[in-house]
Amino acid sequence: LAKTTQPISMDSYEGQEVNITCSHNNIATNDYITWYQQFPSQGPRFIIQGYKTKVTNEVASLFIPADRKSSTLSLPRVSLSDTAVYYCLVGDGGFQKLVFGTGTRLLVSP
Amino acid sequence: ETGVTQSPTHLIKTRGQQVTLRCSSQSGHNTVSWYQQALGQGPQFIFQYYREEENGRGNFPPRFSGLQFPNYSSELNVNALELDDSALYLCASSMHLTRGSHEQFFGPGTRLTVL
Repeated sequence: LAKTTQPISMDSYEGQEVNITCSHNNIATNDYITWYQQFPSQGPRFIIQGYKTKVTNEVASLFIPADRKSSTLSLPRVSLSDTAVYYCLVGDGGFQKLVFGTGTRLLVSP
Repeated sequence: ETGVTQSPTHLIKTRGQQVTLRCSSQSGHNTVSWYQQALGQGPQFIFQYYREEENGRGNFPPRFSGLQFPNYSSELNVNALELDDSALYLCASSMHLTRGSHEQFFGPGTRLTVL
């Protein structure tokens, strides 16, 4: 069972770049690394997913080193609306079971 | 294209009762997963349905059961409710993708309170 470890909380200010690192030492060969965002009383929302190196979309970048034992979610120029809990997940087995940890609470201040 | 919807949004039950929660998957998706999220915790996987059959189960007792219908919508049933069952119940839909890919689309959840 692949377990992830991420900081409990992070603070930032509007306009800054935020990097959230996640460690997943037991990641399996076929597993992808996925990040979700969750606002209070809402379901999680998919942000980005990658397998190796770097992935970028319109909201974030995901950096994965060659050994894949960690990953970093990068949020460029955060705004107040980016205040949320961010979850790092890796795969678990042959079906699409998502294993969520406690996530990282990001607080963006003015 | 409609997103994932869940009903009801809120529900209050008493200990020992039974509850049924409903989920309509996103258009084009054939797989539905259910998660339980206690306050301050990450979502915990309950089970997943694909082609109307259970396709994996988390560490939840048999009193948690489910169904998937031909239109891919789904129900979560919980019997003999306990106080600890109070939580946000989330439904997520996806396409049955290749192993290792984990993009799922979550509904807004049903807040269940057991008194």
